[in-house]
Amino acid sequence: GIQVEQSPPDLILQEGANSTLRCNFSDSVNNLQWFHQNPWGQLINLFYIPSGTKQNGRLSATTVATERYSLLYISSSQTTDSGVYFCAGGEDGGGADGLTFGKGTHLIIQP
Amino acid sequence: DAMVIQNPRYQVTQFGKPVTLSCSQTLNHNVMYWYQQKSSQAPKLLFHYYDKDFNNEADTPDNFQSRRPNTSFCFLDIRSPGLGDAAMYLCATSRGGLDTEAFFGQGTRLTVV
Repeated sequence: GIQVEQSPPDLILQEGANSTLRCNFSDSVNNLQWFHQNPWGQLINLFYIPSGTKQNGRLSATTVATERYSLLYISSSQTTDSGVYFCAGGEDGGGADGLTFGKGTHLIIQP
Repeated sequence: DAMVIQNPRYQVTQFGKPVTLSCSQTLNHNVMYWYQQKSSQAPKLLFHYYDKDFNNEADTPDNFQSRRPNTSFCFLDIRSPGLGDAAMYLCATSRGGLDTEAFFGQGTRLTVV
């Protein structure tokens, strides 16, 4: 199966800073998602982005499928952005085989 | 509003005592998944149903079983929980086909005593 590598593993920033999280894949993926895991453990969908660029408020994501990586940008960070960010990919374009997750980036935003 | 609902949110079970976790969905999605997430680790797929077709991951222990009696519900059965099975269990759904986006429930945190 595919391998998913996320970097950095940990990131500590001051409120208001910008950050870039990266996700590399060992093979082509047809399904790529970014999640934020809240303090209660739920995975919140941020982006479904097998390719291209999307933006949602202060967050944006870019996937370069041909080079097997994806980036998540967080601008003007707030303390509520703290938590673990996961990227996950699936090999099967039919969406039936589930997602392989990276180990996550633990983001801490300090006031 | 909740689309993927897991019950209970917290479950405490005794070592070796069978336990069942439940998941329901209002999205009418074809695919339902169960993931296990141990502390400070990434979620790991245990198995999934595509409609009624069951697909088990190769390294999922036999101690874990699943049932999907209808489109809306899916259950995770742990036949003889061990201390190592303490984890967050996450249910997810996707439409399947070309629409592969997955949606997760709130999770059930299982404690084994």
